Amino acid sequence: QLQLQESGPGLVKPSETLSLTCTVSGGSISSSNYYWGWIRQQSPGKGLEWIGSIYYTGDTYYNPSLKSRVTISVDTSKNQFSLKLTSVTAADTAVYYCATPDASGNWFDPWGQGTLVTVSS
Amino acid sequence: DIQMTQSPSSLSASVGDRVTITCRASQSISRFLHWYQQKPGKAPKLLIYSASSLRTGVPSRFSGSGSGTDFTLTISSLQPEDFATYFCQQSYSIPATFGQGTNLEIK
Repeated sequence: QLQLQESGPGLVKPSETLSLTCTVSGGSISSSNYYWGWIRQQSPGKGLEWIGSIYYTGDTYYNPSLKSRVTISVDTSKNQFSLKLTSVTAADTAVYYCATPDASGNWFDPWGQGTLVTVSS
Repeated sequence: DIQMTQSPSSLSASVGDRVTITCRASQSISRFLHWYQQKPGKAPKLLIYSASSLRTGVPSRFSGSGSGTDFTLTISSLQPEDFATYFCQQSYSIPATFGQGTNLEIK
């Protein structure tokens, strides 16, 4: 059974780059037919925003609203995938979740526990 | 982007009640609609996928229906552990989008 765990700095300065890693256990990140994704939630219990996903082939899919600032990549040697979001502002303060879309990239299951990232000087 | 609108935004109910939450898409999404439950401080959990398929391990009191633009999540008999926030999500087109959530509270 797949388990995901986010890690990374909890505080990032405005204009800098937010970098998070998701460690996958219970399965290989290079297994075929797997997608890996990132979702954020800017207020507790409030709206969820899909950031992007990466397929096991390396193909990436990004939310157009963030596409110019986002990179998602996979590190098979560490069984991890990562998120980089450049030029952050206070609006990027959120809980960031990594999650696994199903084989067709539709629903997200399971999710990591989430990590709060605050953008502040 | 496809807009997902849930109603109501909040709902008060009692243990044992039957509850229905609605999700409407701004355009037809066939059955590419999924439901999640989120409790405070926790990640969302998948309940229903493809409009009406119950995720393994989810109690049968949860059910989903609908297609096109209108969808419902029904809890047949509320249990204390069901008080949470519920979200719908469409995967018909990129970007995937979520409803704003329905906060289900104890009356």
